[in-house]
Amino acid sequence: DAGVIQSPRHEVTEMGQEVTLRCKPISGHDYLFWYRQTMMRGLELLIYFNNNVPIDDSGMPEDRFSAKMPNASFSTLKIQPSEPRDSAVYFCASRLTGSYQPQHFGDGTRLSIL
Amino acid sequence: KNEVEQSPQNLTAQEGEFITINCSYSVGISALHWLQQHPGGGIVSLFMLSSGKKKHGRLIATINIQEKHSSLHITASHPRDSAVYICAANKETSGSRLTFGEGTQLTVNP
Repeated sequence: DAGVIQSPRHEVTEMGQEVTLRCKPISGHDYLFWYRQTMMRGLELLIYFNNNVPIDDSGMPEDRFSAKMPNASFSTLKIQPSEPRDSAVYFCASRLTGSYQPQHFGDGTRLSIL
Repeated sequence: KNEVEQSPQNLTAQEGEFITINCSYSVGISALHWLQQHPGGGIVSLFMLSSGKKKHGRLIATINIQEKHSSLHITASHPRDSAVYICAANKETSGSRLTFGEGTQLTVNP
C-alpha cells in the first residue's frame, strides 16, 4: 500500500514567488496534517483537516500561507509571496479516525527560498 | 518552559548498550507519541500510548501519567538505531494537534 506522497521533494525558488506543495494521503485516511520543521523551531503543526474540513489552522504563520483539501485524496499548501524565512522541510501526514491511530508521514518537501 | 521536554538532547552509545530517552510534559494529555526521524529525514511513528507500556522488537515505551513522564528504551542498540527520537503530546484541550519535544539525537557507534 502506498504511503503518504508529497511533491515536490525539493523546491528552490526566489523570494516573492508562489510555492505550492502537494500531498496525497493514504487512501481511507480522514485526517491530514501539514507540519513545518526548522532547526530553530523543530516540528510545528501548521494546519490539520478532518474529512477535508480545516479543523485547526492556528499554526499557520500568516496570511501568506494557505492550505486546501478539495477532496479526500489531495491537499495543497501554498505560500504567496514566499520569503527566505519560509525555508524549511514541510511534512504532510495522515491517519485514520480513532483515538489511538498513528500518523503516517510523507518524505517531506525541502523548500529553499533564495 | 516548553510543555514537552526531552532529555538528553544528544546521546552517544556503543553498539549493544541499553538506551533510555526521557520525555516530561507539563499539561494534561490524551496520548503520548514517540517518533523516529532517520538521517534521510523521514519520520516514522514508533508508539502511541496513554498508559502503561508498549513493546515492539527492541523498543519499549513506558508512560507514568501521575508523574507526567514517558521513557523510550532501546535494548541491544545497533548503529541502525542512530536517528532523532521525538516525543509528542496530544494535549487534552487541543484535539488532534501534537505538541513536540525538541528531539534527542542518538548516535550508536559500532
